[in-house]
Amino acid sequence: AQSVAQPEDQVNVAEGNPLTVKCTYSVSGNPYLFWYVQYPNRGLQFLLKYITGDNLVKGSYGFEAEFNKSQTSFHLKKPSALVSDSALYFCAVRDNTGNQFYFGTGTSLTVIP
Amino acid sequence: DGGITQSPKYLFRKEGQNVTLSCEQNLNHDAMYWYRQDPGQGLRLIYYSQIVNDFQKGDIAEGYSVSREKKESFPLTVTSAQKNPTAFYLCASSIESLGYNEQFFGPGTRLTVL
Repeated sequence: AQSVAQPEDQVNVAEGNPLTVKCTYSVSGNPYLFWYVQYPNRGLQFLLKYITGDNLVKGSYGFEAEFNKSQTSFHLKKPSALVSDSALYFCAVRDNTGNQFYFGTGTSLTVIP
Repeated sequence: DGGITQSPKYLFRKEGQNVTLSCEQNLNHDAMYWYRQDPGQGLRLIYYSQIVNDFQKGDIAEGYSVSREKKESFPLTVTSAQKNPTAFYLCASSIESLGYNEQFFGPGTRLTVL
């Protein structure tokens, strides 16, 4: 069965410091992996995705994510956090044979000025 | 502007009433989805549709119904059989239902049962 785990409900980081939001996944085939961001009372916005190829994927707003097949992880990273990055972040996975996306429970990121 | 619209933004329902949430997209996407979001539970799939006049149940379809009569529209009806309907409802679409294409989300509808 496909699943996604985001082990941290809350991540706090000081402005200007690097941030990491963790995600691990389980799929039966090759994974397609996605990160989305959600601001309060809004829909989700796409940040980046991994399909194949380079393990480091770059996305919107300076975010990047590293795919690690052996650890089945897809952690979201940013070298220098901004206060405006404070939001709820969701990791999602889809295998290459499935119809559905599977979402994690979300990680609330707070960047402290 | 291309995108997905949902209406209304806020909806209040009395117990025992059915309500319909609207979702429209002008992205020419084939696939459309409805999710329910509750605090601490992430997104749970209610229904999805890969093509006009066809749809499949997701993980929590009980108490909900959908239709897909037009490519651009995928309304969700929350029936009185849904025991705990208060939640934030998100509609999404993607170019196709298989593969690596990301989903585009609407702004959501917050449903409250009084």
